[in-house]
Formats: sequence, structure tokens, C-alpha cells
Amino acid sequence: GQNIDQPTEMTATEGAIVQINCTYQTSGFNGLFWYQQHAGEAPTFLSYNVLDGLEEKGRFSSFLSRSKGYSYLLLKELQMKDSASYLCAVRISNRGSTLGRLYFGRGTQLTVWP
Amino acid sequence: DVKVTQSSRYLVKRTGEKVFLECVQDMDHENMFWYRQDPGLGLRLIYFSYDVKMKEKGDIPEGYSVSREKKERFSLILESASTNQTSMYLCASSLPWRDSNQPQHFGDGTRLSIL
Repeated sequence: GQNIDQPTEMTATEGAIVQINCTYQTSGFNGLFWYQQHAGEAPTFLSYNVLDGLEEKGRFSSFLSRSKGYSYLLLKELQMKDSASYLCAVRISNRGSTLGRLYFGRGTQLTVWP
Repeated sequence: DVKVTQSSRYLVKRTGEKVFLECVQDMDHENMFWYRQDPGLGLRLIYFSYDVKMKEKGDIPEGYSVSREKKERFSLILESASTNQTSMYLCASSLPWRDSNQPQHFGDGTRLSIL
């Protein structure tokens, strides 16, 4: 099976920087996604990495190392509204498949304090 | 914007009932998915579909079936509801993986309670 690990909970203060790590052991890796999910709401897409390196998008950045099976989501200038669950998801594609299903980690609940 | 619409936000049913959860997407996506989300367990895939009338089992298909008669609609069916199927159910859709940077888009979810 596929194994995706991320911390269960993290806390930080407003204005700070926080890094949420995700490690994975999978076969057929075809990209890694980060989603944000506020309580009672749908997950919303944040970022995508398929090649090694850093992808920056405003206050959020995501990093991938395929050789290490490791990714992180970096949130800068934290705001109260960033309190949410952050989901790491790895896409797996089998030979000949056009689907590419996602395997999700259990999510990291981030609490931002004033 | 992609819109994935689930028919109900909250639903209460009784044990043994046949339950239908409906999902419609408006972006002509080939792929559609049904997940359930439980505290401490994360998102788990129940079934998915990559084309009309096509379906594949996910990780936890027992007690569920699906129907995809039209491209935009993907239905999840609980054949005989049981209390352990009380959960949040999330529908998602996406383009095929060859459109590699395209994510799955989720509906708002249906919180289903089985009494």
C-alpha cells in the first residue's frame, strides 16, 4: 500500500512562519498536492509539485524532494484565517492508466494564535 | 470556476434504508470520486469513475455502490445503511492525469447520520 505521513497538529502565532512536513513511501509517484480544509468545508487546492524544488505562490510555498520522498508546505506571515487542516496527497499512476488517483495523508490541524 | 455540487449538506437516515448521495460537476471532467472523511482517518476513497458507466473500487468499497449514467453525475448508493456509515462524504472531480497539474475539485460534502 501507499504510506503518507504528516504531523497531526501544529500551533503557531500570527505573523510567524510554519512548515508542515509530509513524507511518503509510494510506487508510481506522479505528483504531490497540498489542500487546505477549514472545519466543515470542502478541501481547496493550494499547490502542486511534480519536479524537485520549490513552488512559490504568495504566502504559501511547497517543496518536493522525490529522492527523499519528502515535501513541505511553508506558510509565511500567518493569519488567523490560516487555522485549518492541511492535507498532503500523492498521485499514483499505473502504467497505461489515465486516471491517477490520490492518496491522502491524515491531515495536519494548524492552529494560529493571536 | 469549477463547481461540484452535492445534493444535500446534511442527511439523516435509518439503519437498513437505501441511501442515495448525488454529485454533479459542471466542468466536463472525465474523472469523479467519492470519499468519506472520518476524524483521525483522513480522506478514504470509496469508488471512482473515469468515464460514463465505468467504475473502479477504491480502498473501502464494502457496503457501497456507484452509478455514472451521465458524465456530469456520479451517485453513491448505500445499499442497506448501517451506523458505521455515519460520516462526511465528499465528492470530487478532475481532468485525466495527463493534464498533470490539474487538481481534484471537491464538493461541500454531505454529513450523513445513520440512526
